[in-house]
Amino acid sequence: DIQLTQSPSSLSASVGDRVTITCRASHNIEKYLNWYQHKPGKAPNLLMYGASSLQSGVPSRFSGGGSGTEFTLTISSLQPEDFVTYYCQQSHSTPLTFGGGTRVEIK
Amino acid sequence: QVQLQESGPGLVKPSETLSLTCTVSGASIRNFYWSWIRLTPGKALEWVGYVHHSGITNYKPSLKSRVTILVDTSRNQFSLKLTSVTKADTAVYYCARGMCRDNKCYFEPDLWGPGTLVSVSS
Repeated sequence: DIQLTQSPSSLSASVGDRVTITCRASHNIEKYLNWYQHKPGKAPNLLMYGASSLQSGVPSRFSGGGSGTEFTLTISSLQPEDFVTYYCQQSHSTPLTFGGGTRVEIK
Repeated sequence: QVQLQESGPGLVKPSETLSLTCTVSGASIRNFYWSWIRLTPGKALEWVGYVHHSGITNYKPSLKSRVTILVDTSRNQFSLKLTSVTKADTAVYYCARGMCRDNKCYFEPDLWGPGTLVSVSS
């Protein structure tokens, strides 16, 4: 299985801050990397696919990058609704696997 | 607007079978991949498996001996059966639709249901 390691596992930030989350893969997954946002009690929401493509309807303050084994999700200016948990997920091969999650908290 | 909704018992006894159904509304179940994914109490997301409307399946190897995912095109539903459950199967179970873009469909999810908590306990 391809292992995904997210860092940090949690971070504290303020509204308006720029934050970056990293996801590292145990093998080369090219650009088969997606990012999800998860609010407690709700359905996870796809933010980015193919490492850097913004899903329709997602605000442009979200951006993604990387290829191979290292990927990033950046939120350019945190909004109050962004203080939730984020997961990366690889679709290069089955079984699909997810990172351990990054919880973004209000400082 | 496409919506997915999980349904099934919230409590299952150890060694018994967990059975869930996902009802898809607002779109046909045809032409897509459909997955089950679970969120453990430790907040880890785990892919269980997928089914294509044609009946093709792919399961997580460590669960393969206990999992069956089926699609019912007449009811626009797909289902999950997990046999011989233990406490380790306690989780929030999500059904999800695979994404389609540029006239090609993939198994990675772009739309999820709200999830249903299944607890394994005697």
